[in-house]
Amino acid sequence: DTEVTQTPKHLVMGMTNKKSLKCEQHMGHRAMYWYKQKAKKPPELMFVYSYEKLSINESVPSRFSPECPNSSLLNLHLHALQPEDSALYLCASSPTGDRGLANYGYTFGSGTRLTVV
Amino acid sequence: KNEVEQSPQNLTAQEGEFITINCSYSVGISALHWLQQHPGGGIVSLFMLSSGKKKHGRLIATINIQEKHSSLHITASHPRDSAVYICAVRSAGTASKLTFGTGTRLQVTL
Repeated sequence: DTEVTQTPKHLVMGMTNKKSLKCEQHMGHRAMYWYKQKAKKPPELMFVYSYEKLSINESVPSRFSPECPNSSLLNLHLHALQPEDSALYLCASSPTGDRGLANYGYTFGSGTRLTVV
Repeated sequence: KNEVEQSPQNLTAQEGEFITINCSYSVGISALHWLQQHPGGGIVSLFMLSSGKKKHGRLIATINIQEKHSSLHITASHPRDSAVYICAVRSAGTASKLTFGTGTRLQVTL
């Protein structure tokens, strides 16, 4: 299995709802990432998990809450979102490696398109 | 100035043309990625480079570490190559982040 699977593919939620995005990979990658992408813009990093521990939080508002319950699964819990949070949310994974070892790549999921109404 | 600059921003080509997309970066990197994204879709990793040149089918990617520059070439372009091509650089570290360029929107017409 060489894929990153994201569910759901599309999500419409109200500003008072609570929902979760799910990301799964079975490649043995121990680094997992959440990115947010607005239309016609490059992806913006939100969170990085390394060995199931949060290693980078790019000052993301607390209405986004990541969780990494095991090495294959990454969740993004959503609560009290705003319409401007509507975007494509991309998950990615990569192997971890020693500093300077560059021969490892990213695998991206196909994303969850989120609309907040 | 962005850390990763791509050119051109938009590119229209006729089927069969040779295409070059350029990427320049200003930071130290451990690797450079070329990514492809179709409209509304997820991202596909095309190449990861730390030196030299790589080829996959009609795609060729090169990198010059000293000049901090990379190019993506598409030979014999086809309408199915129409997509956004994104250059992204990776900093050193075990779980390091990608810094993305703004992308090149390629349209290949018949």
